[in-house]
Amino acid sequence: DTGVSQDPRHKITKRGQNVTFRCDPISEHNRLYWYRQTLGQGPEFLTYFQNEAQLEKSRLLSDRFSAERPKGSFSTLEIQRTEQGDSAMYLCASSLASGTINEKLFFGSGTQLSVL
Amino acid sequence: KNQVEQSPQSLIILEGKNCTLQCNYTVSPFSNLRWYKQDTGRGPVSLTIMTFSENTKSNGRYTATLDADTKQSSLHITASQLSDSASYICVVSADQAGTALIFGKGTTLSVSS
Repeated sequence: DTGVSQDPRHKITKRGQNVTFRCDPISEHNRLYWYRQTLGQGPEFLTYFQNEAQLEKSRLLSDRFSAERPKGSFSTLEIQRTEQGDSAMYLCASSLASGTINEKLFFGSGTQLSVL
Repeated sequence: KNQVEQSPQSLIILEGKNCTLQCNYTVSPFSNLRWYKQDTGRGPVSLTIMTFSENTKSNGRYTATLDADTKQSSLHITASQLSDSASYICVVSADQAGTALIFGKGTTLSVSS
């Protein structure tokens, strides 16, 4: 499978626990994005990387959220001390920076988080 | 405020029929407009991307139109199939990268036999 891969597909956790999600982008893609999507809403941008550099993180929802892309390949999104309001679908997308305005994003299938 | 509004919120049509979904936006600056299809429990899949100068773009049975003057777009689906049942999301980009994508809430389309 050469698409964007996310793991796990589903995560159920208790309030207060930490969770970590993984995203493996399309291999030649240098940009990687994290979005959050709640029921009935469109995805909401969280953060993005170009190679291993995190170029935008001001829109992470709180300081409980952090993301890494240590070698410019896969990325992880961690949520500490989860709250019920964190329940959502977390989507990863990747793209190849082309310098054109038609940069195409490819999304993974997401990780569905349920905080009890 | 940058916003993307879609209508209708949901739509039910019979297999084989055509339908048109609407998107109005107030995003500035404008870079491009995208339509995505999202199946339940899956990530969005790109259907079309249009820039300011493009009025129409087709992808199989999907045809998107863009009127940059009135800031309106539509997605027309021809000869609908059961597999077209999904959420269709209109996305307007304010720059080249994906950091400034403004997503609509989507139109949920149900195609019945």
